[in-house]
Amino acid sequence: EVQVVESGGGLVKPGGSLRLSCAASGFIFINTWMSWVRQAPGKGLEWVARIKSKNSGGTTDYATPVKGRFTISRDDSKNTVYLQMNSLKSEDTAVYFCTAENFYSLYYWGQGTPVTVSS
Amino acid sequence: DIVMTQTPLSSPVTLGQPASISCRSSQSLVQSDGNTYLSWLQQRPGQPPRLLIYKISNRFSGVPDRFSGSGAGTDFTLKISRVEAEDVGVYYCMQGTQLPYTFGQGTKLEIK
Repeated sequence: EVQVVESGGGLVKPGGSLRLSCAASGFIFINTWMSWVRQAPGKGLEWVARIKSKNSGGTTDYATPVKGRFTISRDDSKNTVYLQMNSLKSEDTAVYFCTAENFYSLYYWGQGTPVTVSS
Repeated sequence: DIVMTQTPLSSPVTLGQPASISCRSSQSLVQSDGNTYLSWLQQRPGQPPRLLIYKISNRFSGVPDRFSGSGAGTDFTLKISRVEAEDVGVYYCMQGTQLPYTFGQGTKLEIK
């Protein structure tokens, strides 16, 4: 059974930092590209960042609004992907979903972890 | 960025009747490898999104065959042959052809 479980969300002040974690199982994680997608309250979906598998180069890509502030990384020994979020702004408030990617589609989704940026 | 535009934004449907959602992209979604990376996701109330269709018309594992996708280039359609109560939610198209991946605004499917 596929499981994707995010953690690490919470309330943080503007300018603060947070690290999200995503533990995955039930598929071959080491060969899977992973993405983070967020959803602001009452809004639609916004792709945030992606990390390829190491055998695809392990490269990372970011949406413009988060470039330079967020860092995606992975630990294949733990089947875990991370999202380090720095210099947080109120507009980063959202539920953050971890997703597994294949054929440039987002196949598996976690339940999401909420992030609130507020003073 | 590729802009994805869905119509309608809201779709009241009678149970057992068909439903159709359109998605148009601001540029062709045909990638250099010849594939078109257009997918459809469903988000039921209070749930995370779930993949329904990938590469225009391929149903993901476990997706009922009443869901079908079609289209080419810049115009795509998701059809539900007979709407059931569990289909209530918001449907999104998504393009994976070019970074950043982008989504349509969402279409809310509700029962009349």
